[in-house]
Amino acid sequence: GENVEQHPSTLSVQEGDSAVIKCTYSDSASNYFPWYKQELGKRPQLIIDIRSNVGEKKDQRIAVTLNKTAKHFSLHITETQPEDSAVYFCAARRQGNEKLTFGTGTRLTIIP
Amino acid sequence: GAGVSQTPSNKVTEKGKYVELRCDPISGHTALYWYRQSLGQGPEFLIYFQGTGAADDSGLPNDRFFAVRPEGSVSTLKIQRTERGDSAVYLCASSGSNTGELFFGEGSRLTVL
Repeated sequence: GENVEQHPSTLSVQEGDSAVIKCTYSDSASNYFPWYKQELGKRPQLIIDIRSNVGEKKDQRIAVTLNKTAKHFSLHITETQPEDSAVYFCAARRQGNEKLTFGTGTRLTIIP
Repeated sequence: GAGVSQTPSNKVTEKGKYVELRCDPISGHTALYWYRQSLGQGPEFLIYFQGTGAADDSGLPNDRFFAVRPEGSVSTLKIQRTERGDSAVYLCASSGSNTGELFFGEGSRLTVL
């Protein structure tokens, strides 16, 4: 089955700086890669996703890049703000399969 | 409803007891998922329903776990003979569009003493 690895497990960034979180996946048939943000005690919420037919997608301060050859994808947050502090999960889904496999999460702390 | 609703939000039970966790998905969403999240971990897939049928139950850890969705809307996750290792937050999610976005509930925190 699919295996998703995520790093770093924790990340502290000065407010205003950029944060990068990286994930690798094992199943070359995976074609959908979402990122979820989970604040303490809250539900995971989708912040951005990318499909395998594109290499990069951007939404304001958030961008995701995908390298299908290397089977890795990354989340980039620019101009970080205190409200960006949360746990971020990457995930991957195989084409034709509805099961999302999640990474172990990155706890991002923005230092004011 | 406005979002995915899960009840109870917290459940404390004793080892060996039976528990039921309920999920009410977003109205009209045909796909429903159960995930389990242990402390410091990502959500772990348990089971996926498309309509009334379990399309993929490969994530259920053993036969003590069972889930139903009899009318294609509300789902119940049932755990028999609970063990301390079952303690976790059980997340339900639903999806209704081709985008694939999962909308999660707030979860049911299960503690087995």
